[in-house]
Amino acid sequence: SQQGEEDPQALSIQEGENATMNCSYKTSINNLQWYRQNSGRGLVHLILIRSNEREKHSGRLRVTLDTSKKSSSLLITASRAADTASYFCATDGGSNYKLTFGKGTLLTVNP
Amino acid sequence: GAVVSQHPSWVICKSGTSVKIECRSLDFQATTMFWYRQFPKQSLMLMATSNEGSKATYEQGVEKDKFLINHASLTLSTLTVTSAHPEDSSFYICSGNPGGPDTQYFGPGTRLTVL
Repeated sequence: SQQGEEDPQALSIQEGENATMNCSYKTSINNLQWYRQNSGRGLVHLILIRSNEREKHSGRLRVTLDTSKKSSSLLITASRAADTASYFCATDGGSNYKLTFGKGTLLTVNP
Repeated sequence: GAVVSQHPSWVICKSGTSVKIECRSLDFQATTMFWYRQFPKQSLMLMATSNEGSKATYEQGVEKDKFLINHASLTLSTLTVTSAHPEDSSFYICSGNPGGPDTQYFGPGTRLTVL
């Protein structure tokens, strides 16, 4: 079952602005991952944050994790038109490394 | 990074026929592979977990007799959609895990259209 819920469902910004997407989940996790998917394409892994980490950076990406609130956020700074895609969070909470995906946020960056 | 391929990338078939989708890990051994289905504008839904040499574990609501999964080697898993119907039209994505709690490696997906 889908336990991740992203908000907003859709976000439209101008190039150069920052984009923040949030993800909430319901059960305990080992780690939380963020993926990007361009329309009709496969998934691109962006970043993984473990349950004992609170913040992680990778280039223009910053991810936070609050296990007490069971939530995470993905910040993309200085957005570019090429960042236009759907973004999904996915939680790994059990054995066998199964991922449960959220519903995703469709980000549109206007040039 | 690790690469997972899928074949075919897209397929169109007639209702009632069966379609086989291959998922290969090209540069690592995947002890576990996962199959997901994604309907338009929706998220990925896990269908089944495939372990090499053993029977697949299906998620609730997924018909194991309709979606046959074979994981015969550490680099190949196949998903066969039997007696396909238009409602099976979807984007099917596989992923491989080389072992350990970190990143899964996703294939590029297969778009199935059943007429």
